[in-house]
Amino acid sequence: DVHLLESGGDLVRPGGSLRLSCAASGFTFNNYALNWVRQAPGKGLEWVSAISSTGSATYYADSVKGRFTISRDNSKNTLYLQMNALRDGDSAVYYCAQGGGGGSIGRYFEYWGQGTLVTVSS
Amino acid sequence: QSALTQPASVSGSPGQSITISCTGTSSDVGGYKYVSWYQQDPGKAPKLMMYDVSKRPSGVSNRFSGSQSGNTASLTISGLQAEDEADYYCTSYTSSSVVFGGGTKLTVL
Repeated sequence: DVHLLESGGDLVRPGGSLRLSCAASGFTFNNYALNWVRQAPGKGLEWVSAISSTGSATYYADSVKGRFTISRDNSKNTLYLQMNALRDGDSAVYYCAQGGGGGSIGRYFEYWGQGTLVTVSS
Repeated sequence: QSALTQPASVSGSPGQSITISCTGTSSDVGGYKYVSWYQQDPGKAPKLMMYDVSKRPSGVSNRFSGSQSGNTASLTISGLQAEDEADYYCTSYTSSSVVFGGGTKLTVL
């Protein structure tokens, strides 16, 4: 079975930094693009970032470009999201999701983790 | 990267059919035919219900169907059941991003 487990969520002050991790199992990790999707409390889903299977291509939503960095370690089957210059509006549950259907992003998200909560507050 | 437009809420009685629309532009929905739909229960991770406009993942009921015309995609649920009550989100792949709809709350009366 495919399993994605996020970690690293925490309470952080505005302007601070945080690194999220997503440990994957149950599939050939280096064959799939991976994504981060977030959901602010009581709000809808928002795509954040994607990384291709090899890590050579990365993509970001305008709202996080220049502040967040996505990366992956295919030897450890782990996806990361480095978040800098955090703002109140970044408070959300962050999900990692496997990009299905091929391509550098994936056409759809068949498998999701359970999410990790990031709270940005002073 | 503007959000796709979905109705905020839809409702129906058990046994009825409902349709949720998802409107984008020629830069996303109309340009790629790669619309997917997700069901989300409160406090849970989203579940893939439809991909590539009209393909159902294994295990998803055939009461769910998808279609697209131009820049608007639709998810239809027939034979509505109480268990279908949830939030539904559409997404569209683009060459450099993924765009989500704002979400639709489905209420089964």
